[in-house]
Amino acid sequence: NAGVMQNPRHLVRRRGQEARLRCSPMKGHSHVYWYRQLPEEGLKFMVYLQKENIIDESGMPKERFSAEFPKEGPSILRIQQVVRGDSAAYFCASSPLLGGSGTKNIQYFGAGTRLSVL
Amino acid sequence: DAKTTQPPSMDCAEGRAANLPCNHSTISGNEYVYWYRQIHSQGPQYIIHGLKNNETNEMASLIITEDRKSSTLILPHATLRDTAVYYCIVRVGGGTGTASKLTFGTGTRLQVTL
Repeated sequence: NAGVMQNPRHLVRRRGQEARLRCSPMKGHSHVYWYRQLPEEGLKFMVYLQKENIIDESGMPKERFSAEFPKEGPSILRIQQVVRGDSAAYFCASSPLLGGSGTKNIQYFGAGTRLSVL
Repeated sequence: DAKTTQPPSMDCAEGRAANLPCNHSTISGNEYVYWYRQIHSQGPQYIIHGLKNNETNEMASLIITEDRKSSTLILPHATLRDTAVYYCIVRVGGGTGTASKLTFGTGTRLQVTL
């Protein structure tokens, strides 16, 4: 069973360009979470999505950032007009479902996408 | 989610048991204790979780005190590959919305040495 797949692993963009980060959850998982880790800092929650719905976007910057998880295909984290401060590692996690015991809420992480803004 | 407190760093000799403590004195009755680790620059890796009983799996053991205000992650025979930052996270087990996210603190940086 393949794990959470993120691509690209490394992404270089110039200031003002757009960055698209993709995340394919584990098979059978319908919940996706995005986290950001700035250099030398801890992981911070950004957004939580189910298929075609944003459930919690309390950690998303108000501008330039958006996320989607369409019915078909991977989840996409999109950053428009990137700035140097967006340089970070972006991790995606997936879980099977919610409710019940803690086991069903285990989030499994991908290897991350490292975004560098020049 | 309840706040957790962990020592910033610990050392452990290879082959010995690594005991990583975590305080979560404000934990609620429906909150679980989760442990994750992050090996340098990799994605966080789930280790173990529990509610109130001690738990063991192929990676580690989790000891939760009877009052649930603290817990200890035990790596029985630490190896160099266990060098990582270990995060103790307290989180509601079910539900939707904001209860679903993981709130990472600063964790404990475990250095396993020869």
